Amino acid sequence: DTGVSQNPRHKITKRGQNVTFRCDPISEHNRLYWYRQTLGQGPEFLTYFQNEAQLEKSRLLSDRFSAERPKGSFSTLEIQRTEQGDSAMYLCASSLMERNYGYTFGSGTRLTVV
Amino acid sequence: ELKVEQNPLFLSMQEGKNYTIYCNYSTTSDRLYWYRQDPGKSLESLFVLLSNGAVKQEGRLMASLDTKARLSTLHITAAVHDLSATYFCAVEAGNQFYFGTGTSLTVIP
Repeated sequence: DTGVSQNPRHKITKRGQNVTFRCDPISEHNRLYWYRQTLGQGPEFLTYFQNEAQLEKSRLLSDRFSAERPKGSFSTLEIQRTEQGDSAMYLCASSLMERNYGYTFGSGTRLTVV
Repeated sequence: ELKVEQNPLFLSMQEGKNYTIYCNYSTTSDRLYWYRQDPGKSLESLFVLLSNGAVKQEGRLMASLDTKARLSTLHITAAVHDLSATYFCAVEAGNQFYFGTGTSLTVIP
């Protein structure tokens, strides 16, 4: 278990299609986060899970976005009816409950909506 | 909403020179993180600063945190080309990070 794994690395989709991304956190990490990063900006928080419970959601997470973390392991982020404005890098991060060692980010999924 | 400001946004420096990147934030927090990001890549953790007065060093980089001033600095000593990247500070508040806009560093031979 060498880090946070995200799939796919790249996704090109047509406007209006649905897409789903997957994140596999470090196995002993019980906290999982999703962030979105657009070009030239810092990442913005989307949502946070502690084990399987989704405890916080940003107002950036519109009704078209949904995230799950069944059984407190991997997580999925689904975007329905994609729009061009959804084009971004979607980053997943995980950490232990005790966060003194910081957060580990995955390599991200780059979404392009055409 | 918590705001995190970094300056400068862009930094071009010659190899061998020293420079400091500043990170100011707008609310009380005693947890601050520095990350490095190479083009098209994810975020690499550099430093975790967990208390007022914390100072950490790794190679040519040194980070410090002054929670009273709500200020963190990332000091670069004798820059080398391999340090060229974008550097982000992130303040933890509640259950999320608030990231700065990043400092794009280019080290010129």
